[in-house]
Amino acid sequence: AQSVTQLDSHVSVSEGTPVLLRCNYSSSYSPSLFWYVQHPNKGLQLLLKYTSAATLVKGINGFEAEFKKSETSFHLTKPSAHMSDAAEYFCVVSGSGSARQLTFGSGTQLTVLP
Amino acid sequence: GEEVAQTPKHLVRGEGQKAKLYCAPIKGHSYVFWYQQVLKNEFKFLISFQNENVFDETGMPKERFSAKCLPNSPCSLEIQATKLEDSAVYFCASSRSRGIGSYNEQFFGPGTRLTVL
Repeated sequence: AQSVTQLDSHVSVSEGTPVLLRCNYSSSYSPSLFWYVQHPNKGLQLLLKYTSAATLVKGINGFEAEFKKSETSFHLTKPSAHMSDAAEYFCVVSGSGSARQLTFGSGTQLTVLP
Repeated sequence: GEEVAQTPKHLVRGEGQKAKLYCAPIKGHSYVFWYQQVLKNEFKFLISFQNENVFDETGMPKERFSAKCLPNSPCSLEIQATKLEDSAVYFCASSRSRGIGSYNEQFFGPGTRLTVL
């Protein structure tokens, strides 16, 4: 069984400052890990994914995440926040193969202040 | 198509009425998943299909929920006798077949918002 814990339900940053959204996972096998973003009243958009290749994963819109097996973490970062980054972010874990259900974290609401 | 399509976008039903939601996966994707997003953040897995076969239905409330993926038709999720607690956004996702070097990225549709009054 797998699980995901997002350590912060809300994160607030000023525009132009770094973003850090924290995620810890638990999995009994080598996991695939994802970050999805959901803007208000919109669907889910994949930001980036880790699938046992490079541990530092680069995604869209300047986001990146580092897989740290020793810490069972997959934190999402961005060097400089933009107003358009304000949204709900979900850390997601899945097992190997295409037919595994995704397990979602509880989400982190990112607020970007002008 | 290149995107997962879901219809309708919004659905309003009185308690006890039937609701039917549709999903067209990305062409060439063999796996379809249904998720329920209750409140704002809670995603619950409902069911998955491999082509037209149920792969995993451990999340389905068996009494009132049913789903199908038939050849050459959109997949469907049906709720008989809806209850207030069924109000949620229902997301469909699809992913590619397994293969060498494949990974299980799921592509999500825009969701159907079901409101039960």
